[in-house]
Amino acid sequence: KNEVEQSPQNLTAQEGEFITINCSYSVGISALHWLQQHPGGGIVSLFMLSSGKKKHGRLIATINIQEKHSSLHITASHPRDSAVYICAAHSGGGADGLTFGKGTHLIIQP
Amino acid sequence: DTAVSQTPKYLVTQMGNDKSIKCEQNLGHDTMYWYKQDSKKFLKIMFSYNNKELIINETVPNRFSPKSPDKAHLNLHINSLELGDSAVYFCASSRTHYGYTFGSGTRLTVV
Repeated sequence: KNEVEQSPQNLTAQEGEFITINCSYSVGISALHWLQQHPGGGIVSLFMLSSGKKKHGRLIATINIQEKHSSLHITASHPRDSAVYICAAHSGGGADGLTFGKGTHLIIQP
Repeated sequence: DTAVSQTPKYLVTQMGNDKSIKCEQNLGHDTMYWYKQDSKKFLKIMFSYNNKELIINETVPNRFSPKSPDKAHLNLHINSLELGDSAVYFCASSRTHYGYTFGSGTRLTVV
């Protein structure tokens, strides 16, 4: 069983819909990351969270440390949001690497 | 441009060959990483370097060796390439308490 679990694995929605992607982790963490990977393959860091909530444009990320759960929300979704969204846990000291979820493949249809 | 740059972007080679992938960051980050993304798109840590010291080596065959000539570079050398090494390899860097920056990836195909 992976230490970082994401759901759903695949999500197709219509333009304008509110999107939620969930992430649960079983390890103790120092930070939780949300990443975006576009069809071209590049990976972009969206958020790094250790508590509470962060917002950037139409993207919102929340984390509940006690429940070991994080969510990524997209408001007013757009076809350009179509990508794979990956949750990753940073569980150790500053130099430890990330443990990744398997990703959520999001398609927003016009 | 401030970035993590890795070369080459594509690498096709025969089994048994030795190859290298280069990575450079000009962000002033103190830690660099190599990650492998397999055919199912699952990412996994291979190595991290902090101040030229290897911090993690996660069950990676010793045919893979990271080389860090300085804090801004972390190259990946692979000896005796095997078919199963075919994957996309990502270099990344980070600074403590800050997020990650990833390179654009190197797609390695072993034939």
